[in-house]
Amino acid sequence: KQEVTQIPAALSVPEGENLVLNCSFTDSAIYNLQWFRQDPGKGLTSLLLIQSSQREQTSGRLNASLDKSSGRSTLYIAASQPGDSATYLCAVDLDSNYQLIWGAGTKLIIKP
Amino acid sequence: GAVVSQHPSRVICKSGTSVKIECRSLDFQATTMFWYRQFPKQSLMLMATSNEGSKATYEQGVEKDKFLINHASLTLSTLTVTSAHPEDSSFYICSARGLAGDPSSYNEQFFGPGTRLTVL
Repeated sequence: KQEVTQIPAALSVPEGENLVLNCSFTDSAIYNLQWFRQDPGKGLTSLLLIQSSQREQTSGRLNASLDKSSGRSTLYIAASQPGDSATYLCAVDLDSNYQLIWGAGTKLIIKP
Repeated sequence: GAVVSQHPSRVICKSGTSVKIECRSLDFQATTMFWYRQFPKQSLMLMATSNEGSKATYEQGVEKDKFLINHASLTLSTLTVTSAHPEDSSFYICSARGLAGDPSSYNEQFFGPGTRLTVL
Protein backbone atom coordinates (compact mmCIF):
# COMPACT_ATOMS: atom_id res chain seq x y z
CA LYS A 1 0.00 0.00 0.00
CA GLN A 2 1.42 3.33 -1.06
CA GLU A 3 2.07 5.79 1.74
CA VAL A 4 3.25 9.35 1.37
CA THR A 5 5.09 11.19 4.12
CA GLN A 6 6.07 14.83 4.31
CA ILE A 7 8.75 16.17 6.56
CA PRO A 8 8.77 18.53 8.33
CA ALA A 9 5.14 18.99 9.32
CA ALA A 10 5.79 22.67 9.93
CA LEU A 11 8.59 25.05 9.08
CA SER A 12 9.20 28.69 9.94
CA VAL A 13 12.05 30.59 8.32
CA PRO A 14 13.04 34.23 7.82
CA GLU A 15 12.30 35.90 4.55
CA GLY A 16 14.94 35.48 1.88
CA GLU A 17 16.13 32.04 2.86
CA ASN A 18 16.25 29.11 0.50
CA LEU A 19 14.42 26.05 1.81
CA VAL A 20 13.64 22.45 0.99
CA LEU A 21 10.47 20.52 1.65
CA ASN A 22 10.60 16.76 1.58
CA CYS A 23 8.17 14.13 0.37
CA SER A 24 8.77 10.39 0.52
CA PHE A 25 6.70 7.52 -0.81
CA THR A 26 6.90 3.82 -0.14
CA ASP A 27 6.23 2.34 -3.58
CA SER A 28 8.35 3.54 -6.49
CA ALA A 29 5.75 2.44 -9.07
CA ILE A 30 4.20 5.84 -9.57
CA TYR A 31 2.78 7.55 -12.63
CA ASN A 32 3.65 11.05 -11.54
CA LEU A 33 4.09 13.23 -8.49
CA GLN A 34 2.58 16.65 -7.91
CA TRP A 35 3.27 19.45 -5.50
CA PHE A 36 0.38 21.66 -4.45
CA ARG A 37 -0.05 24.74 -2.39
CA GLN A 38 -3.04 25.32 -0.14
CA ASP A 39 -3.78 28.63 1.52
CA PRO A 40 -5.88 28.57 4.72
CA GLY A 41 -9.49 27.74 3.96
CA LYS A 42 -8.82 27.68 0.26
CA GLY A 43 -8.56 25.09 -2.48
CA LEU A 44 -5.46 23.71 -4.08
CA THR A 45 -3.04 25.32 -6.48
CA SER A 46 -0.96 22.95 -8.52
CA LEU A 47 2.68 24.03 -8.45
CA LEU A 48 4.65 21.40 -10.29
CA LEU A 49 3.97 18.01 -11.79
CA ILE A 50 6.80 15.56 -12.41
CA GLN A 51 6.19 12.59 -14.65
CA SER A 52 7.76 9.31 -13.56
CA SER A 53 10.29 9.56 -16.39
CA GLN A 54 11.44 13.03 -15.32
CA ARG A 55 13.97 14.01 -12.69
CA GLU A 56 12.92 17.58 -12.01
CA GLN A 57 10.67 20.44 -12.95
CA THR A 58 11.15 24.15 -12.45
CA SER A 59 8.76 27.06 -12.25
CA GLY A 60 10.10 30.44 -11.24
CA ARG A 61 11.61 30.17 -7.78
CA LEU A 62 10.37 26.61 -7.36
CA ASN A 63 12.23 23.47 -8.28
CA ALA A 64 10.92 19.98 -7.66
CA SER A 65 13.03 16.86 -7.98
CA LEU A 66 12.03 13.24 -8.16
CA ASP A 67 14.08 10.16 -7.31
CA LYS A 68 11.84 7.17 -7.83
CA SER A 69 14.40 4.60 -6.80
CA SER A 70 14.74 6.10 -3.36
CA GLY A 71 11.09 7.12 -3.12
CA ARG A 72 11.79 10.79 -2.60
CA SER A 73 10.85 14.16 -3.95
CA THR A 74 11.97 17.57 -2.81
CA LEU A 75 10.49 20.99 -3.38
CA TYR A 76 13.10 23.71 -3.33
CA ILE A 77 11.97 27.29 -2.80
CA ALA A 78 14.53 29.96 -3.52
CA ALA A 79 14.60 33.39 -1.92
CA SER A 80 11.48 32.78 0.15
CA GLN A 81 8.89 35.53 0.55
CA PRO A 82 6.07 36.04 3.07
CA GLY A 83 3.62 35.32 0.26
CA ASP A 84 5.01 31.80 0.10
CA SER A 85 3.45 31.07 3.47
CA ALA A 86 0.98 28.22 2.96
CA THR A 87 0.64 24.49 3.37
CA TYR A 88 2.48 22.51 0.74
CA LEU A 89 1.14 19.11 -0.20
CA CYS A 90 2.67 16.41 -2.33
CA ALA A 91 0.64 13.68 -3.96
CA VAL A 92 1.61 10.63 -5.97
CA ASP A 93 -0.46 9.35 -8.81
CA LEU A 94 -0.72 5.58 -9.11
CA ASP A 95 -0.93 4.29 -12.62
CA SER A 96 -3.50 1.61 -11.97
CA ASN A 97 -6.51 3.69 -11.09
CA TYR A 98 -5.38 7.26 -11.33
CA GLN A 99 -5.98 8.01 -7.69
CA LEU A 100 -3.83 10.47 -5.83
CA ILE A 101 -2.26 9.47 -2.55
CA TRP A 102 -1.61 12.51 -0.42
CA GLY A 103 0.97 13.48 2.11
CA ALA A 104 -0.16 15.31 5.24
CA GLY A 105 1.49 18.53 4.14
CA THR A 106 4.14 20.92 5.41
CA LYS A 107 2.90 24.17 6.88
CA LEU A 108 5.36 26.86 5.85
CA ILE A 109 5.60 30.26 7.50
CA ILE A 110 7.93 32.88 6.07
CA LYS A 111 8.65 35.62 8.58
CA PRO A 112 9.13 39.16 7.24
CA GLY B 1 -5.04 25.65 -18.52
CA ALA B 2 -7.93 23.41 -17.61
CA VAL B 3 -10.34 24.98 -15.13
CA VAL B 4 -12.64 23.32 -12.64
CA SER B 5 -15.29 25.21 -10.73
CA GLN B 6 -17.28 24.30 -7.65
CA HIS B 7 -20.54 25.71 -6.40
CA PRO B 8 -21.28 26.80 -3.80
CA SER B 9 -17.99 27.88 -2.30
CA ARG B 10 -19.49 27.98 1.16
CA VAL B 11 -22.69 26.59 2.62
CA ILE B 12 -24.19 26.55 6.08
CA CYS B 13 -27.13 24.29 6.73
CA LYS B 14 -29.17 22.85 9.55
CA SER B 15 -28.71 19.31 10.73
CA GLY B 16 -30.91 16.89 8.81
CA THR B 17 -30.99 18.80 5.57
CA SER B 18 -29.38 17.75 2.30
CA VAL B 19 -26.76 19.77 0.48
CA LYS B 20 -25.74 19.50 -3.14
CA ILE B 21 -22.29 20.52 -4.36
CA GLU B 22 -21.56 20.93 -8.05
CA CYS B 23 -18.26 20.35 -9.77
CA ARG B 24 -17.85 21.53 -13.36
CA SER B 25 -15.01 21.27 -15.84
CA LEU B 26 -15.26 24.57 -17.69
CA ASP B 27 -13.04 24.16 -20.71
CA PHE B 28 -12.56 20.45 -21.09
CA GLN B 29 -14.53 17.24 -20.92
CA ALA B 30 -13.88 15.10 -17.89
CA THR B 31 -14.23 11.35 -18.06
CA THR B 32 -13.38 10.99 -14.42
CA MET B 33 -14.07 13.19 -11.44
CA PHE B 34 -12.87 12.68 -7.92
CA TRP B 35 -14.34 13.89 -4.66
CA TYR B 36 -12.15 14.58 -1.63
CA ARG B 37 -12.83 15.84 1.85
CA GLN B 38 -10.44 17.55 4.16
CA PHE B 39 -10.79 17.95 7.91
CA PRO B 40 -8.96 20.79 9.64
CA LYS B 41 -5.22 20.31 9.75
CA GLN B 42 -5.46 17.04 7.88
CA SER B 43 -4.66 16.07 4.35
CA LEU B 44 -7.17 15.34 1.66
CA MET B 45 -8.93 12.01 1.73
CA LEU B 46 -10.41 10.53 -1.40
CA MET B 47 -14.11 9.80 -0.97
CA ALA B 48 -15.09 8.46 -4.35
CA THR B 49 -14.25 8.25 -8.01
CA SER B 50 -16.94 8.84 -10.59
CA ASN B 51 -16.89 8.10 -14.28
CA GLU B 52 -19.38 9.72 -16.59
CA GLY B 53 -22.46 7.58 -17.05
CA SER B 54 -21.62 4.96 -14.45
CA LYS B 55 -21.90 4.49 -10.71
CA ALA B 56 -19.30 6.02 -8.50
CA THR B 57 -16.69 3.91 -6.75
CA TYR B 58 -16.54 4.74 -3.07
CA GLU B 59 -13.55 4.41 -0.81
CA GLN B 60 -13.73 2.15 2.20
CA GLY B 61 -15.58 3.76 5.05
CA VAL B 62 -17.49 6.25 2.89
CA GLU B 63 -21.25 5.74 3.03
CA LYS B 64 -22.60 5.70 -0.50
CA ASP B 65 -26.16 6.33 0.68
CA LYS B 66 -25.07 9.40 2.55
CA PHE B 67 -22.80 10.87 -0.08
CA LEU B 68 -24.64 10.59 -3.37
CA ILE B 69 -22.55 11.21 -6.44
CA ASN B 70 -23.96 11.81 -9.89
CA HIS B 71 -21.79 12.24 -12.97
CA ALA B 72 -24.43 12.75 -15.60
CA SER B 73 -22.35 14.57 -18.18
CA LEU B 74 -18.74 15.01 -19.20
CA THR B 75 -18.61 18.42 -17.57
CA LEU B 76 -20.65 18.04 -14.39
CA SER B 77 -20.53 15.91 -11.27
CA THR B 78 -22.57 16.51 -8.15
CA LEU B 79 -22.07 15.42 -4.57
CA THR B 80 -25.14 15.42 -2.36
CA VAL B 81 -24.66 15.13 1.37
CA THR B 82 -27.92 13.68 2.58
CA SER B 83 -29.29 14.26 6.05
CA ALA B 84 -26.20 16.23 6.96
CA HIS B 85 -24.94 16.24 10.54
CA PRO B 86 -22.33 18.39 12.27
CA GLU B 87 -19.69 15.70 11.81
CA ASP B 88 -20.11 16.12 8.04
CA SER B 89 -18.78 19.66 8.33
CA SER B 90 -15.67 19.68 6.22
CA PHE B 91 -13.97 21.09 3.17
CA TYR B 92 -15.02 19.21 0.04
CA ILE B 93 -12.84 19.40 -3.07
CA CYS B 94 -13.44 17.90 -6.47
CA SER B 95 -11.00 17.23 -9.25
CA ALA B 96 -11.39 16.25 -12.86
CA ARG B 97 -9.37 14.43 -15.43
CA GLY B 98 -9.87 14.94 -19.15
CA LEU B 99 -10.48 12.59 -22.03
CA ALA B 100 -7.88 10.15 -23.24
CA GLY B 101 -6.18 11.67 -26.23
CA ASP B 102 -6.49 15.22 -24.91
CA PRO B 103 -2.95 15.93 -23.77
CA SER B 104 -3.89 19.20 -22.15
CA SER B 105 -6.18 17.60 -19.62
CA TYR B 106 -5.66 13.83 -19.52
CA ASN B 107 -2.37 13.46 -17.73
CA GLU B 108 -3.18 15.21 -14.49
CA GLN B 109 -6.06 16.10 -12.22
CA PHE B 110 -7.37 19.63 -12.07
CA PHE B 111 -8.85 20.77 -8.81
CA GLY B 112 -11.84 22.89 -7.97
CA PRO B 113 -11.57 25.66 -5.38
CA GLY B 114 -13.42 23.65 -2.76
CA THR B 115 -16.68 23.97 -0.83
CA ARG B 116 -16.77 24.70 2.88
CA LEU B 117 -19.72 22.90 4.45
CA THR B 118 -20.83 23.81 7.95
CA VAL B 119 -23.68 21.85 9.48
CA LEU B 120 -25.24 23.44 12.52
